Amino acid sequence: DSGVTQTPKHLITATGQRVTLRCSPRSGDLSVYWYQQSLDQGLQFLIQYYNGEERAKGNILERFSAQQFPDLHSELNLSSLELGDSALYFCASSVETGGRGELFFGEGSRLTVL
Amino acid sequence: AQSVTQLGSHVSVSEGALVLLRCNYSSSVPPYLFWYVQYPNQGLQLLLKYTSAATLVKGINGFEAEFKKSETSFHLTKPSAHMSDAAEYFCAVSDRTGNTGGFKTIFGAGTRLFVKA
Repeated sequence: DSGVTQTPKHLITATGQRVTLRCSPRSGDLSVYWYQQSLDQGLQFLIQYYNGEERAKGNILERFSAQQFPDLHSELNLSSLELGDSALYFCASSVETGGRGELFFGEGSRLTVL
Repeated sequence: AQSVTQLGSHVSVSEGALVLLRCNYSSSVPPYLFWYVQYPNQGLQLLLKYTSAATLVKGINGFEAEFKKSETSFHLTKPSAHMSDAAEYFCAVSDRTGNTGGFKTIFGAGTRLFVKA
């Protein structure tokens, strides 16, 4: 158990819909990262937050947004969903933002868009 | 921008044989390098990391990796494979992004390790 909690574990929805994925980091970790894992794209970095502020941005689509709340949990919002958004979405946390630290991953949220 | 290349999407070894998973990185500065393992239906977990200390890094479950700057490589090895080592392995490099103080960890495409009895 990494200590990172992601909900929901599975989600099935239709094209055009909007979903919210939730992540609770390990106790004491201030950084939260979101990744998308798919068969064709591999593990893609989406975005990083540190103590409520956006710190790094990767290949995140404009239809996607994220935020980190004062209690440090984070949400990833995916809107106008397309078939290609079907993937496993991971949240990870770390105690620092300096790049040297280990990332602790949750078990992921599997999104299926029909 | 830094990047990671893992050679071989699939590697198959016999139980008890040497495991060698290859990783090459591109970096203009001394990198932070990592190996992660992903078991089925689980998130990734850290095997080991290199952060500019010793070039030979020992990790969990008997794995180790050697940082070779001249070859820009960070290959993962284990002397004797066990059935429980069957999983997907990811090499990763940490890359600073912009001026916000943030880092993104970039992962390779992954290598699936099969262990034959």
